[in-house]
Amino acid sequence: QSILTQPPSASGTPGQRVTISCSGSSSNIGINVVNWYQQLPGTAPKLLMYSNSQRPSGVPDRFSGSKSGTSASLAISGLQSEDEADYYCASWDASLNGPVFGGGTQLTVL
Amino acid sequence: QVQLVQSGAEVKKPGASVKVSCKASGYILTDHSMHWVRQAPGQRLEWMGWIGAGNVNPKYSQKFQGRVTITSDTSASTVYMDLNSLTSEDTAVYYCARWYRGWSSFDYWGQGTQVTVPS
Repeated sequence: QSILTQPPSASGTPGQRVTISCSGSSSNIGINVVNWYQQLPGTAPKLLMYSNSQRPSGVPDRFSGSKSGTSASLAISGLQSEDEADYYCASWDASLNGPVFGGGTQLTVL
Repeated sequence: QVQLVQSGAEVKKPGASVKVSCKASGYILTDHSMHWVRQAPGQRLEWMGWIGAGNVNPKYSQKFQGRVTITSDTSASTVYMDLNSLTSEDTAVYYCARWYRGWSSFDYWGQGTQVTVPS
């Protein structure tokens, strides 16, 4: 089954900039947009970034996204304690004919 | 405002079926497709299937084909996910999520329904 690959963990201190990577393939990220979801402990995922680099209303501009080829990344600048959460990338997969998700990156604010 | 409210937690015996509901409010159900995604303990989010906008024929992940059925009741603004032949590997939180076509993403999620199948 097609999947997306993320680092399992990331960390930073308040105010720092952290980047989370997401690697896919020609059947997903290579031909479709990437979305990012934030999941706080015990809650449902929340849309954080859509169409590679677009922020829904209410998402701070500290969050930014990019995509190149079959990879994407999420950057968080000015890290805050409230950013501590799991982050998932996702993209539509042509082989699955449905969305595929990364394994999630647990972000710790030290 | 858009809300997706799911039914409560379930505990089922192996071999049984479970039906989870997702009641939508704040928009017209048939204007957007609805998907089901599950998350087993410590695992990634896993897509199960969807029912299209306008109550179009449902489509399922090959992994769940034959075991899952997604239906909708437009009069009740509710979408249902029925999963049968449960095993302990089906223990997970099940989410409904609205697909927003313009953004090619899930813009709203239900709160999740815990389904537990003891081994």
